[in-house]
Amino acid sequence: EAGVAQSPRYKIIEKRQSVAFWCNPISGHATLYWYQQILGQGPKLLIQFQNNGVVDDSQLPKDRFSAERLKGVDSTLKIQPAKLEDSAVYLCASSPQFVGLAVDTQYFGPGTRLTVL
Amino acid sequence: GENVEQHPSTLSVQEGDSAVIKCTYSDSASNYFPWYKQELGKRPQLIIDIRSNVGEKKDQRIAVTLNKTAKHFSLHITETQPEDSAVYFCAASMGDTGRRALTFGSGTRLQVQP
Repeated sequence: EAGVAQSPRYKIIEKRQSVAFWCNPISGHATLYWYQQILGQGPKLLIQFQNNGVVDDSQLPKDRFSAERLKGVDSTLKIQPAKLEDSAVYLCASSPQFVGLAVDTQYFGPGTRLTVL
Repeated sequence: GENVEQHPSTLSVQEGDSAVIKCTYSDSASNYFPWYKQELGKRPQLIIDIRSNVGEKKDQRIAVTLNKTAKHFSLHITETQPEDSAVYFCAASMGDTGRRALTFGSGTRLQVQP
């Protein structure tokens, strides 16, 4: 099966500019996650969607970050304005619809490496 | 919220030796514990996971153990090979009982010397 797709793979911007990332999850996966991975650290959750609704955005810096998942499929993550500390890899992951007591495995995309100068 | 600590941060072993990476978690409600392998510049890849209803799981050269009482879990790699060199992350989540997003450890850089 096709994996999680992300674009662009790399982006370089100057601080105070805006940037957007796109994610296409595995077909049929209802849950979509955006994680931020700073160099040398583990991924940290930014936002979780279930279909097109937000489940958890408690760690999303809402003054500058926004995300949407229209029609419950693709998702976009936007940063406006960007700061130097936003330099990181932005990973998108998806998992199947929760059923019963089974915990869903998360499948990651290749990520977008953002450099803010 | 959940906090996951991972040790060691770096690990160097000789080819053929075993490697052990340990993680502790803080929230007793966590019930799902995956391990991911991440090669340089690539996506995290799930290599093994364990749920709270079992204490140990094995898949060829890789095994994971879970001690729910002590709130720690470990990854064991036997007969290590150079291609095992990568960064390994442990993670925890509450699955369907609550927060399903993963909380990751800080990673262990494993280097297998030929």
